[in-house]
Amino acid sequence: LAKTTQPISMDSYEGQEVNITCSHNNIATNDYITWYQQFPSQGPRFIIQGYKTKVTNEVASLFIPADRKSSTLSLPRVSLSDTAVYYCLVGDRVTGGGNKLTFGTGTQLKVEL
Amino acid sequence: EPEVTQTPSHQVTQMGQEVILRCVPISNHLYFYWYRQILGQKVEFLVSFYNNEISEKSEIFDDQFSVERPDGSNFTLKIRSTKLEDSAMYFCASRLSSGGTYNEQFFGPGTRLTVL
Repeated sequence: LAKTTQPISMDSYEGQEVNITCSHNNIATNDYITWYQQFPSQGPRFIIQGYKTKVTNEVASLFIPADRKSSTLSLPRVSLSDTAVYYCLVGDRVTGGGNKLTFGTGTQLKVEL
Repeated sequence: EPEVTQTPSHQVTQMGQEVILRCVPISNHLYFYWYRQILGQKVEFLVSFYNNEISEKSEIFDDQFSVERPDGSNFTLKIRSTKLEDSAMYFCASRLSSGGTYNEQFFGPGTRLTVL
């Protein structure tokens, strides 16, 4: 299981772009990179997933360099409601049942006015 | 939008008592999970369930824990004899299918279990 490292916390202001980088030096060929978001007293919520290059959805973008040893979650123009913990997860393809998620400590993003 | 629901939202119990936490996964999902999060700590995997049997469980999921899908909609976690250290937020999650890609899991709002 690839170990992930991400900053413990980040601060930002409303309207700014926030980039959270996660390193995963031991990522395996079949591993995907997935980001989840968790608000206080709520369950984690899937944000985005990618394998290589760039993925964008209505919430965020995920940048993955060619060596895949790191990834960057980009949140455009954050608001106060983006204050949450963001988790980077690396996991292999599903070949059967299971597919548990292994969460680290995540990055606590605090957005201020 | 379909969502995972959990009841109760908060459960207070005495040490040694049995508790059952209930979840209703999204209706067409096939894989079901329980996770827990002790206050201020990481979200930890407990167990996964597919085709009416446990597919994987963690070291936390010892003989005191059991899961069941008693009907076509509910998914329950039972703790037979609660301990103080079982106090945590328990999250149920479900996933549509396997194969191909690393599928998204949908989490419920959680049940806060307090053991006194």
